Amino acid sequence: EPEVTQTPSHQVTQMGQEVILRCVPISNHLYFYWYRQILGQKVEFLVSFYNNEISEKSEIFDDQFSVERPDGSNFTLKIRSTKLEDSAMYFCASGVPGLAGTLTDTQYFGPGTRLTVL
Amino acid sequence: SQQGEEDPQALSIQEGENATMNCSYKTSINNLQWYRQNSGRGLVHLILIRSNEREKHSGRLRVTLDTSKKSSSLLITASRAADTASYFCATLTGKGAGGTSYGKLTFGQGTILTVHP
Repeated sequence: EPEVTQTPSHQVTQMGQEVILRCVPISNHLYFYWYRQILGQKVEFLVSFYNNEISEKSEIFDDQFSVERPDGSNFTLKIRSTKLEDSAMYFCASGVPGLAGTLTDTQYFGPGTRLTVL
Repeated sequence: SQQGEEDPQALSIQEGENATMNCSYKTSINNLQWYRQNSGRGLVHLILIRSNEREKHSGRLRVTLDTSKKSSSLLITASRAADTASYFCATLTGKGAGGTSYGKLTFGQGTILTVHP
């Protein structure tokens, strides 16, 4: 069964460094997402991406964050200058159009990348 | 409370018993989904119920949705030790007419379920 994959599984970085988290969504999916989960807290939406552009982003997704789909398969999240509070599990998700026509239906999540900022 | 709040926060039961988890939300939704997460691992999609549905079954899972009360429940019947995990409800919303959002999930805090063998 196709699945979303993410690399690396764990990334340790120094505060102020740039990190790139990588995701390979399911191949026929059209919508891509990043979510994060700070330890012990709820999963939070960061950004959605469709047709090579951001369709929605949360207040968490400030100028330090960017997303890109550099080729036909990868979807990346870049944090330009990491802060301690960026330490979290980052989940990528992908989906296809739902019954409503535009909204995604089920979103399929990857296993996550645990980012630790020291 | 915030969108997608579950209760109880923690539930401890014996194998073979049923586990019921509840979720409340505040805004209009397109659908509501339940996910499972084993400690420190990824999110596994369990079941989706659309806003025009009232009940849905999948194996040992039964989900109900009451849009008038903005609440949902997840029932796991005949629980097993392997069901031990955190369970989250998540509501799917979009920007609405004219918007270009393709749906974002808003997750609750989760219920930690422990099933003792």
